Amino acid sequence: DIQMTQSPSYVSASVGDRVTITCRASQGISSWLAWYQQKPGKAPKLLIFAASSLQSGVPSRFSGGGSGTDFTLTISSLQPEDFATYFCQQANSFPLTFGGGTKVEIK
Amino acid sequence: QEQLVESGGGLVKPGGSLRLSCAASGFTFSDYYMTWIRQAPGKGLEWVSYISSSSSYTNYADAVKGRFTISRDNAKNSLYLQMNSLRAEDTAVYYCARRKGYFYYMDVWGKGTTVTVSS
Repeated sequence: DIQMTQSPSYVSASVGDRVTITCRASQGISSWLAWYQQKPGKAPKLLIFAASSLQSGVPSRFSGGGSGTDFTLTISSLQPEDFATYFCQQANSFPLTFGGGTKVEIK
Repeated sequence: QEQLVESGGGLVKPGGSLRLSCAASGFTFSDYYMTWIRQAPGKGLEWVSYISSSSSYTNYADAVKGRFTISRDNAKNSLYLQMNSLRAEDTAVYYCARRKGYFYYMDVWGKGTTVTVSS
């Protein structure tokens, strides 16, 4: 199975800050990676797919990058509605696996 | 509006069974592969199973293989997960989710249904 490791597990940031979250795959997955946002008690929401493609309706302050084993999710200017937990997911092979999550909290 | 609504969760004793349902609306259900994904309390996301649009292909996580069965009824726009021999570690919120096009990214999710396995 491909292990997905996110860092950091917790980020404390202020509105307007630039935030970058990292996801590392235990083996190369090309660009088969997605990022999701999850708010408490809600279902995950797809933000980024194919490592860097923005899902329809998602604000452009979200961007993704990377390929192979190392990936990033960047929020260019954190907004109040962005405080949530973010997960990466590899779509290269089965079983599909997710990172452990990064919680973005208000400083 | 594309929507998925799960139902069927509840409290069940270890060794028991439960059948989850997921009702789809707002899109052509029969065109899409569908998945089940679960989230244990306070934990991350875990992929459980997928089924192809015509039910020809299915796949399961090792943790549920042989105990869970995924199925669908395209005439009823519904997805199902039959869960047998339930264990405490199956306790989770279960989400149904739609696969985005040809790739295993999930672009539409239900709100989830809670399964609790406890004596």
